[in-house]
This record gives sequence, structure tokens and C-alpha cells, in this order.
Amino acid sequence: NAGVMQNPRHLVRRRGQEARLRCSPMKGHSHVYWYRQLPEEGLKFMVYLQKENIIDESGMPKERFSAEFPKEGPSILRIQQVVRGDSAAYFCASSERTEQETQYFGPGTRLLVL
Amino acid sequence: GESVGLHLPTLSVQEGDNSIINCAYSNSASDYFIWYKQESGKGPQFIIDIRSNMDKRQGQRVTVLLNKTVKHLSLQIAATQPGDSAVYFCAESNQGGKLIFGQGTELSVKP
Repeated sequence: NAGVMQNPRHLVRRRGQEARLRCSPMKGHSHVYWYRQLPEEGLKFMVYLQKENIIDESGMPKERFSAEFPKEGPSILRIQQVVRGDSAAYFCASSERTEQETQYFGPGTRLLVL
Repeated sequence: GESVGLHLPTLSVQEGDNSIINCAYSNSASDYFIWYKQESGKGPQFIIDIRSNMDKRQGQRVTVLLNKTVKHLSLQIAATQPGDSAVYFCAESNQGGKLIFGQGTELSVKP
């Protein structure tokens, strides 16, 4: 059973470009969570999605950031018009059923904005 | 506000000794707690979890203790090995799905 998969593993963008981060949850998991980790810090919650629904986006910046989890395909975290402060590691996690199930993390995407 | 914090940012132990990593949380409504291990360049790896209706849970070489009275969580690693060297995070949840992470403790195991 493959774990949570994320791609790309590393992404370099120039200021003003768009970044698209992909996450495929573990097989059988229908809950996806995105977290951001700045250097030397813990993970910060961004958004929680189920298939075709955003359940909690309280950690998402109000502008430039969006997330989706379509019926088919991976979850996408999209960052428009990136700025240097967006440079961070972005982790996706998935769980099987309810919110209280264990969240398993992917290897992350390391975004560098030049 | 909600916060989860760790008492010690770094911990250095001798191989074979037991390690104890501590964590304080401030939200008394939190009812689910998890410990993760993160190695450099990798994603957090699940170690062990505990729900608020328990005060102790054991896994393979690891034990998590929960003291709800003082809102304290600890992770005990028995016979610490070099492969245990990593940053350890505690996280809490309150039926909302999202996890709130502490800052992390770096565990260094000396051979």
C-alpha cells in the first residue's frame, strides 16, 4: 500500500509565477490536509478537504492560495503570484475516515521562490 | 489561544539510554494527541497517538503519557538508538480535523 505521494518534491519559482503542488492520498483515504513548514518551525495547518469539499480552510491565507480535491485525481494546492515569503516545505497528509483518524504525511514539496 | 509547546528544544542522550521528550498544551478541549518523528528532508512519520480517555499508551520501544490535569504530554523512547535521532513533534486535535503542532525537540543520540 503506497503511502501519501506528493509531487514535485522540489519546485523553484520566480516571484509572480504560479506554483501547483499535488498530493495523492493513501489508498482508501478520503480526507486530505495541507500543512506548511517554515525553516526551524513546526507545521502549520492550512486546509482540510474531503472529495470535492473544503471542510476547513481556516489556515489558508486570504489571497493567492487555493486548494481543491476533485472527485478524480490528486488534491492540488495552488499558489498564485508567489512571493519570497511563500518559500517553505508544504506537506500533505491523509486519513481514512473521520477527523480523529491518524494523519499520515507525504514527503513534502519544497518550494523556493527566487 | 491554542498552543502546543515543547519544554526542551534539544535533547542529547547516550545510545542505549532512555529518552523523554515533553510537551505542554493549552487547549483543555483537545482530545487527541499524536507524536511524530521528522528526519531531515522528510515528512513527519507517525510514532504513536493517544486519546483523552487514556493516560498511557505503549508501542514498540515508545510510551506516551498524558496528564490532562496539568495538560502535559510526554514521549518516552526506551533504549535509544542512533536511528532515533530526529526532530520530534507533538500535535493536538479537537474534533476539527486539523492538527496543531508544537515547535519540535531535536533528539541527538551519541554512540
